[in-house]
Amino acid sequence: AQSVTQLGSHVSVSEGALVLLRCNYSSSVPPYLFWYVQYPNQGLQLLLKYTTGATLVKGINGFEAEFKKSETSFHLTKPSAHMSDAAEYFCAVSLTGGGNKLTFGTGTQLKVEL
Amino acid sequence: DTGVSQDPRHKITKRGQNVTFRCDPISEHNRLYWYRQTLGQGPEFLTYFQNEAQLEKSRLLSDRFSAERPKGSFSTLEIQRTEQGDSAMYLCASSPDGFSGNTIYFGEGSWLTVV
Repeated sequence: AQSVTQLGSHVSVSEGALVLLRCNYSSSVPPYLFWYVQYPNQGLQLLLKYTTGATLVKGINGFEAEFKKSETSFHLTKPSAHMSDAAEYFCAVSLTGGGNKLTFGTGTQLKVEL
Repeated sequence: DTGVSQDPRHKITKRGQNVTFRCDPISEHNRLYWYRQTLGQGPEFLTYFQNEAQLEKSRLLSDRFSAERPKGSFSTLEIQRTEQGDSAMYLCASSPDGFSGNTIYFGEGSWLTVV
């Protein structure tokens, strides 16, 4: 069975600072990896995903993530935080042959301070 | 915008009552999913459909829960004899097919509060 661990349920950064949200996964087969963002009282919006190919994936709003198989990680980064980035971020995994069914981490709440 | 739409967005019900949520997926998406999300947690898979066929149900989906997708278009999720533990946001999502790398598109969710 697959699982996702997000280290740090709350992360606080200053506006303009680097954003780093951590995600580690466990899987017996090569995974597909996703980052979603959720704003208050809303559904989830895809930021980026890794399926195959280049391990550095660029997404919307200036976010990117790097798939590191040896570390079983898929950390999300953004060079310069903006106030509008304040939201909850979820890492998720799906498996080949798993029916495109996502398993989510518990989420990281990002706070951006002036 | 032709995204996933859910109705109602908010529902307050008394314990023991039945509630039904409706989901309209993105047009031509064959896969439809239901997830449940409680405060401070990530979404948890409940069930999914390929067209009108319900292919998998999570252990989270007790006998009080039933989901349908007649004609392979919209879907309904019914909860019978609601309990306070059912209070959560119920998320519907859809994807073009079952390829595991496909993007799954989520609706804005239906909040259920059981009092």
